[in-house]
Amino acid sequence: GAVVSQHPSWVICKSGTSVKIECRSLDFQATTMFWYRQFPKQSLMLMATSNEGSKATYEQGVEKDKFLINHASLTLSTLTVTSAHPEDSSFYICSARWGQVNQPQHFGDGTRLSIL
Amino acid sequence: KQEVTQIPAALSVPEGENLVLNCSFTDSAIYNLQWFRQDPGKGLTSLLLIQSSQREQTSGRLNASLDKSSGRSTLYIAASQPGDSATYLCAVATGGFKTIFGAGTRLFVKA
Repeated sequence: GAVVSQHPSWVICKSGTSVKIECRSLDFQATTMFWYRQFPKQSLMLMATSNEGSKATYEQGVEKDKFLINHASLTLSTLTVTSAHPEDSSFYICSARWGQVNQPQHFGDGTRLSIL
Repeated sequence: KQEVTQIPAALSVPEGENLVLNCSFTDSAIYNLQWFRQDPGKGLTSLLLIQSSQREQTSGRLNASLDKSSGRSTLYIAASQPGDSATYLCAVATGGFKTIFGAGTRLFVKA
């Protein structure tokens, strides 16, 4: 089945550091990739949607300059949390989809980010 | 604005019991509905995808139904097992490339 690989799975770093998270679709070309944030015991909150080769579309309230998204190829999207602070600590999950909106999304295993 | 609600928020059942998880959505203009499983600290595993033109999908002990007109979906789990313990999320794909998630139902199956 379709596989999405997310790396790293766990990051601990100091406040002020920038952290990059990678999301790769391993056996299909992802025309659209999504980045979500999940707080403990809550559901997934969509942060942004990106299509290959174009700028990401951010949801209301998500800071573009804080969360930089790059979707340079059909198999790779990256999320960079710039100058991270403790309030950015969370579980970040990416997903990828091939084709149109009626196609299923395939999710990565998530990245737990802890900022000290 | 599409809103997805899941009831109950948490459920504890003895092993072997059949159970139903509920998902409702406010806007019937959806492309599909997907049920996921999430284990603690992990990503999402897709269980079943129902396209808007379909009424149900089955996979093993799982059966999901969709009634678009009433804005409802159910996930039926037969003969529950302790390994089924997880959070179950439903999500609807809407216009604008967005997928809206419910808050999930936390299931605990007691051995």
